[in-house]
Amino acid sequence: DGGITQSPKYLFRKEGQNVTLSCEQNLNHDAMYWYRQDPGQGLRLIYYSQIVNDFQKGDIAEGYSVSREKKESFPLTVTSAQKNPTAFYLCASSTETSPYNEQFFGPGTRLTVL
Amino acid sequence: SQQGEEDPQALSIQEGENATMNCSYKTSINNLQWYRQNSGRGLVHLILIRSNEREKHSGRLRVTLDTSKKSSSLLITASRAADTASYFCATVSSGTYKYIFGTGTRLKVLA
Repeated sequence: DGGITQSPKYLFRKEGQNVTLSCEQNLNHDAMYWYRQDPGQGLRLIYYSQIVNDFQKGDIAEGYSVSREKKESFPLTVTSAQKNPTAFYLCASSTETSPYNEQFFGPGTRLTVL
Repeated sequence: SQQGEEDPQALSIQEGENATMNCSYKTSINNLQWYRQNSGRGLVHLILIRSNEREKHSGRLRVTLDTSKKSSSLLITASRAADTASYFCATVSSGTYKYIFGTGTRLKVLA
């Protein structure tokens, strides 16, 4: 999973709670991404960041928030406003937001709402 | 929204056989990429083909791209049990930096 770490691997949340998923990379990549994957589905983009202190909404940003205070870190907060948060969350990075760059993925965090 | 749609959704073959999976997309693209995902893990990049390329090879992988039909295929030759995984295509639409992933093909290679 090449230089990107996500923690925790498994996370359980009670309804109404906010939780924060960690994503750290040591690849010196400028761009970072958060995706959500549901069973048997592809990946859907939640948020992405091209540089520090800047980020943009993806296709399903409602109920999520992010920050990019450091180049290495891009934490995702799943808020109580997210109606169906149970899913597998994947963080990725690339050298820059060029359409010709591959993305490197972390191992994922599986979030379950109890 | 999902732009890439893979076909078939699931594929089961014997070790040594070839596996072919297809991807269709809807809009003009800069490039198309294929990724592999082992169960419960992150995705691993396999190959990228640019919109002005028609075919690309990497080891046992062969990718074709037909922009007139908005489709791509991934061929894995001489498959191995270790190739068992889900395979996703990802497109980057012209003028954007957003990757859009398909729903994937689940490949099972039987030893």
